[in-house]
Amino acid sequence: KQEVTQIPAALSVPEGENLVLNCSFTDSAIYNLQWFRQDPGKGLTSLLLIQSSQREQTSGRLNASLDKSSGRSTLYIAASQPGDSATYLCAGRSLRDYKLSFGAGTTVTVRA
Amino acid sequence: GAGVSQSPRYKVAKRGQDVALRCDPISGHVSLFWYQQALGQGPEFLTYFQNEAQLDKSGLPSDRFFAERPEGSVSTLKIQRTQQEDSAVYLCASSLSGYRDREKLFFGSGTQLSVL
Repeated sequence: KQEVTQIPAALSVPEGENLVLNCSFTDSAIYNLQWFRQDPGKGLTSLLLIQSSQREQTSGRLNASLDKSSGRSTLYIAASQPGDSATYLCAGRSLRDYKLSFGAGTTVTVRA
Repeated sequence: GAGVSQSPRYKVAKRGQDVALRCDPISGHVSLFWYQQALGQGPEFLTYFQNEAQLDKSGLPSDRFFAERPEGSVSTLKIQRTQQEDSAVYLCASSLSGYRDREKLFFGSGTQLSVL
């Protein structure tokens, strides 16, 4: 079973600082990994999807990397803004499975 | 529709009542997932449909939980004889093609169930 861990559980930074969110997973036979954003009381919005053959994906100020050998993914958010305040979850899908296994998330607060 | 729609948005049930939660996936989406999210935790897998076929129900916590998708579109998650530990947000997600696809998963806003 794919186990996903996210550290830290919470993070508070001043506006403009770059954010680094970490995700680790146990099964290196990973099919893909997704990063999601969740706002309070809302569902999940997919931010980036990295296939197992890729090392990173970029969308605007967001960049996510995938290192299968070390079982890690990192989400970078450049020049953070108060609107980036949310919970960020990573989820991995193993080759032998089709369901996503989620971490508990990192709750980010960007202070104006 | 434009996105995954779930209803009701909130449900309060007395312990022992039966509840039914509805999910309308994005039109044409083949795959449909149900997840359960406890407060402060990540979503936990419950069950998976590919069209009308329920291919995996290994995440359903007990035989009080039942899900169906009879025509391969709308899905219903039913919980019988609700217990306080069933209190959580129930999320539905869909994706365009089969489980080996490489596409993103689209989530609904969820149904927040509170069992008193």
